[in-house]
Amino acid sequence: AQSVTQLDSHVSVSEGTPVLLRCNYSSSYSPSLFWYVQHPNKGLQLLLKYTSAATLVKGINGFEAEFKKSETSFHLTKPSAHMSDAAEYFCVVTHAGKSTFGDGTTLTVKP
Amino acid sequence: NAGVTQTPKFRILKIGQSMTLQCAQDMNHNYMYWYRQDPGMGLKLIYYSVGAGITDKGEVPNGYNVSRSTTEDFPLRLELAAPSQTSVYFCASSYTGQEKLFFGSGTQLSVL
Repeated sequence: AQSVTQLDSHVSVSEGTPVLLRCNYSSSYSPSLFWYVQHPNKGLQLLLKYTSAATLVKGINGFEAEFKKSETSFHLTKPSAHMSDAAEYFCVVTHAGKSTFGDGTTLTVKP
Repeated sequence: NAGVTQTPKFRILKIGQSMTLQCAQDMNHNYMYWYRQDPGMGLKLIYYSVGAGITDKGEVPNGYNVSRSTTEDFPLRLELAAPSQTSVYFCASSYTGQEKLFFGSGTQLSVL
């Protein structure tokens, strides 16, 4: 069995300040982990993925995430938020072809 | 490349009606999925398939059926539509099941 918990349903930051979106996972195996972004009325876009290589993963648009097995976490960060980062973010755990999504975190960026 | 194509984009059903949501991919992906997304929620897996002729239930399969007769197509069938099935439906595919998901543009379904 596997599950994902996104610890914050809403995060609000000011433009130019750091972003932290938190994700904890549970899996009986060594899973693959992903972050997807969904802009309003748009489809889902892959930000980054972890598949048992380097624990610090760099993605698109300046985002990165660190896999911490001891903490079963895969938090998403960005050093400086941009207005265009405002969206819904989903953490996903995948094993044996089955992907489980977290409930999402809405990121608001204030000018 | 077309990628993952879903039809229709919008549909309104009356309670008790049936319909099929179509999904096709042209990337020769083995794995295909159906998700539903309710407002303010993440995506919930309805059914998935690891190859032609093989399907399995996800987290929320009740009220739905699927088939996978070809690698390309993975239709989702609603037999007796209920208001609880009002949602946005996404079809997705991936090659190995461990790689990124490619999503269709979604179907917004309302059951009234």
